[in-house]
Amino acid sequence: EIVMTQSPGTLSVSPGERVTLSCRASQSISNNLAWYQQKPGQAPRLLIFGASTRATGIPARFTASGSGTEFTLTISSLQSDDFAVYYCHQYHNWPLYTFGQGTKLDI
Amino acid sequence: QVQLVQSGPEVKHPGSSVKVSCRASGGNFQTSSINWVRQAPGQGLEWLGRFVFSIDMSDYAQKFQDRVTITADKSTKTVYMEVTSLRSDDTAVYFCGRGNYMDVWGNGTTVIVSS
Repeated sequence: EIVMTQSPGTLSVSPGERVTLSCRASQSISNNLAWYQQKPGQAPRLLIFGASTRATGIPARFTASGSGTEFTLTISSLQSDDFAVYYCHQYHNWPLYTFGQGTKLDI
Repeated sequence: QVQLVQSGPEVKHPGSSVKVSCRASGGNFQTSSINWVRQAPGQGLEWLGRFVFSIDMSDYAQKFQDRVTITADKSTKTVYMEVTSLRSDDTAVYFCGRGNYMDVWGNGTTVIVSS
C-alpha cells in the first residue's frame, strides 16, 4: 500500500497570506495525484488532478506541482473561503487508492 | 450538469448489513468509474472500492474485500455499495465519486451503527 503523508497537520494562517501544503508518497506515483478541499458537512471538492492541472472552475490562486514522491499545493493569497481541510489522493496504485490524512487551514 | 445523488441516512445494528446507492445523472459514465469513499466522524477520507463501467468489474481495498460488495445497474446508472457484518467503527459518511480523480461527488450518506 502506498502511504500518503501530508504536512503540516494544521496550519494557522491569516487572509492574504501565501501558504504551501506538502504531500509525500511512500513510493513513486508519477503525476497521479489529486488535491481536494473539504469544508465541514460537505463532500470533498476536486481542486487539482494530474499533480498540477486545475479542475474546472478552480481559481488561479491555487497552484500545484510535483512528481514522483514529493508534491505541493500553494494558495497564493488566502481568501476567507479557503479555510478548510485539504487532502491529497494518489490514484496511481489501483486497486488501492489512498488519501493523505489531511491538512487543516485554521484562521 | 453531472450529478451523483445518494440514498438517505441509515441506522443499523451491529452485525447487520447496509446497502447505499449512488445514482448518476446528466453525464456519460459508461467510460468512467464510480468510487466509494468513507469518512468516520472527525477523521480523514478512506477509499473502499470502485465499479468500472467499461469492464463491468469492481475493485476493492484489501481491508474491505471481505465485507464490501459494489454492484451497478447500468440501465438506471445506479451504483450500489453493500457493507456486511457492520461494526460500530463503520459509522461514517459514505460518499460516491466519479473517476480516478474524483471530479464529481455525491452528497454523502450517513450510516450509524449502534446497538
